[in-house]
Amino acid sequence: AQSVTQLGSHVSVSEGALVLLRCNYSSSVPPYLFWYVQYPNQGLQLLLKYTTGATLVKGINGFEAEFKKSETSFHLTKPSAHMSDAAEYFCAYKPGGYNKLIFGAGTRLAVHP
Amino acid sequence: DTEVTQTPKHLVMGMTNKKSLKCEQHMGHRAMYWYKQKAKKPPELMFVYSYEKLSINESVPSRFSPECPNSSLLNLHLHALQPEDSALYLCASSQSLAGDAYEQYFGPGTRLTVT
Repeated sequence: AQSVTQLGSHVSVSEGALVLLRCNYSSSVPPYLFWYVQYPNQGLQLLLKYTTGATLVKGINGFEAEFKKSETSFHLTKPSAHMSDAAEYFCAYKPGGYNKLIFGAGTRLAVHP
Repeated sequence: DTEVTQTPKHLVMGMTNKKSLKCEQHMGHRAMYWYKQKAKKPPELMFVYSYEKLSINESVPSRFSPECPNSSLLNLHLHALQPEDSALYLCASSQSLAGDAYEQYFGPGTRLTVT
C-alpha cells in the first residue's frame, strides 16, 4: 500500500537551531514529493516540491529538502529556526498512476526561545 | 495570483439543514479538490474534479454532494449531516492531474460545526 511516514509527531527546537523533519515514502517508482505547512486555523501552504531533476530542492521561508531515492526519503531542513516556523508540517507524495496526494500524519514543530 | 478562496469561513448547521460551501480560483486551474480535515489529522481527500467532471469520489456519503458549475468554481452541498461531520473543509486546485502540474494550492478552509 502507498504510504508516507513522518518520524516524530512532535519536534521541539530552540530558536536558531537546526530544524530537521523526517519523511519516508513507499514507492518503487520515483514519485512527486511535497512538503506543506499549516498554521493554526488556516489552509495548507506549499513549502517546496520535488518532481524531477535536482535532488536538493529549495523552498520558501529558508526551507529545503533532499530527495534520496536509495533511502526513499525526503527530509525537510532549515538551518536556523524562527519562532514563526512553529506550525504543523505535512509531507505528501503523488504515486505514479494515482491522481491523489498521499499525506503523512504530520509533525508539529514547536520553537522555543 | 495563487489564491484559492472559500466561503464561508465558519458554518454552524443543524442536522436537518441544507447548506453549501463555495470555493473559487482564478488561476486557470483545471483540477479542483475537496478535502476534510479533522483536528490533529492530515487532510482526507473527498472528491476530485478534472475539467469540470468528477474524477474521483473517495466513497463519500451521499449527504455530501459536490458540484463544479464552471472551471473556476467548486461547491459542496451539505444535507442531513451528522455531528461527526464537523471538521475543517479544505478546497484545493492544481493546473491539472498531470504529474508535473500536480502542485496543489489550498484555500483557508471552512470550519463546519454540525449541532
